[in-house]
Amino acid sequence: DAGVIQSPRHEVTEMGQEVTLRCKPISGHDYLFWYRQTMMRGLELLIYFNNNVPIDDSGMPEDRFSAKMPNASFSTLKIQPSEPRDSAVYFCASSSLGLGEQFFGPGTRLTVL
Amino acid sequence: LAKTTQPISMDSYEGQEVNITCSHNNIATNDYITWYQQFPSQGPRFIIQGYKTKVTNEVASLFIPADRKSSTLSLPRVSLSDTAVYYCLVRSGNTPLVFGKGTRLSVIA
Repeated sequence: DAGVIQSPRHEVTEMGQEVTLRCKPISGHDYLFWYRQTMMRGLELLIYFNNNVPIDDSGMPEDRFSAKMPNASFSTLKIQPSEPRDSAVYFCASSSLGLGEQFFGPGTRLTVL
Repeated sequence: LAKTTQPISMDSYEGQEVNITCSHNNIATNDYITWYQQFPSQGPRFIIQGYKTKVTNEVASLFIPADRKSSTLSLPRVSLSDTAVYYCLVRSGNTPLVFGKGTRLSVIA
């Protein structure tokens, strides 16, 4: 298996622009997680899905952030409009053992100027 | 959720055994102790998980005393490639992982 796939790996955009991050989980995994990592706040869970349904989005910082999972093999995290404080590395992870071992993708490094 | 406390950083020479201790005083009966490793510019990777006593795999050992209020991750004979951040997490079956700041291990030649 190719593991969790994320795209793009790097994104540089200007404040106010819309940003869409993409994730393909490992085939057969029924849980998908979105995390954000910064030096100041560490690794934060933003939202997670089970069988394509959002279970807990309490970590989503504000209404500018939204996440969807239209099918079992694809998820997006969208920021609209983006702000410089959104600059971070965004990780997607998936798991098959309920909320057990998670497999992380390589991350998307987002820079908002 | 049980809160974990671990050292912010540790240094070690190559070839030595490294022990990273994590305290989790409020661990619940159903909680497991899980450790992840994160290399620079990569996502975290699962290392080991245990409930009590000792667990060993090809990467590390995990020691958990009877009261389960702490745990120790043991890395035998570390090499430069073991330089990473190590996260101790406590989880139960129905809650997602909550990552703290972890322990930054630097292995020196």
